[in-house]
Amino acid sequence: EAGVAQSPRYKIIEKRQSVAFWCNPISGHATLYWYQQILGQGPKLLIQFQNNGVVDDSQLPKDRFSAERLKGVDSTLKIQPAKLEDSAVYLCASSIGAPGELFFGEGSRLTVL
Amino acid sequence: QKEVEQNSGPLSVPEGAIASLNCTYSDRVSQSFFWYRQYSGKSPELIMSIYSNGDKEDGRFTAQLNKASQYVSLLIRDSQPSDSATYLCAVSFRGAFDGTYKYIFGTGTRLKVLA
Repeated sequence: EAGVAQSPRYKIIEKRQSVAFWCNPISGHATLYWYQQILGQGPKLLIQFQNNGVVDDSQLPKDRFSAERLKGVDSTLKIQPAKLEDSAVYLCASSIGAPGELFFGEGSRLTVL
Repeated sequence: QKEVEQNSGPLSVPEGAIASLNCTYSDRVSQSFFWYRQYSGKSPELIMSIYSNGDKEDGRFTAQLNKASQYVSLLIRDSQPSDSATYLCAVSFRGAFDGTYKYIFGTGTRLKVLA
């Protein structure tokens, strides 16, 4: 069974530029999560989708971050314009929707200069 | 605001010893509890899940849950240098409004097993 796929693995941009991350969850997983993990900290939820609808974006900085999950499968997380403090690993995770394991992708490491 | 707290460490133990990792959570709505291991530069991987009070053992790992005290722990017996990693505690609860499952993570405890 294929795992959660993410790309790109690494991205370096200058502040005020834009960047987009892509995630393809495990087939059949209805719930998709984007987490931000700053070095030395635990993952922090940015946004949660159930199928193609947003169920929690309370911690998403909406002035610069946006995300979508078209057709309830792939998802894209965009940052525009980026700030230095956005340097982090962006983790995509999926679950089947019942209580149980979150499956993580390998993450996308963003460095903002 | 629901919270999960862990001591950031590092926790250093000699090879072959028992490593004890602790986690507390802020509310009684939490239903499911997880320990993830994260190697440097890698994504978290699940090593234990526990849903009811008591102990759950899997090989060298034992998870312990005490819902009354809002406390979950992970014991690693016969610690190996390969166990050196950050261990993330996560709690899950069902959202009151949307019915979906939320996962909140602690900051992680860095474990060093000394050869």
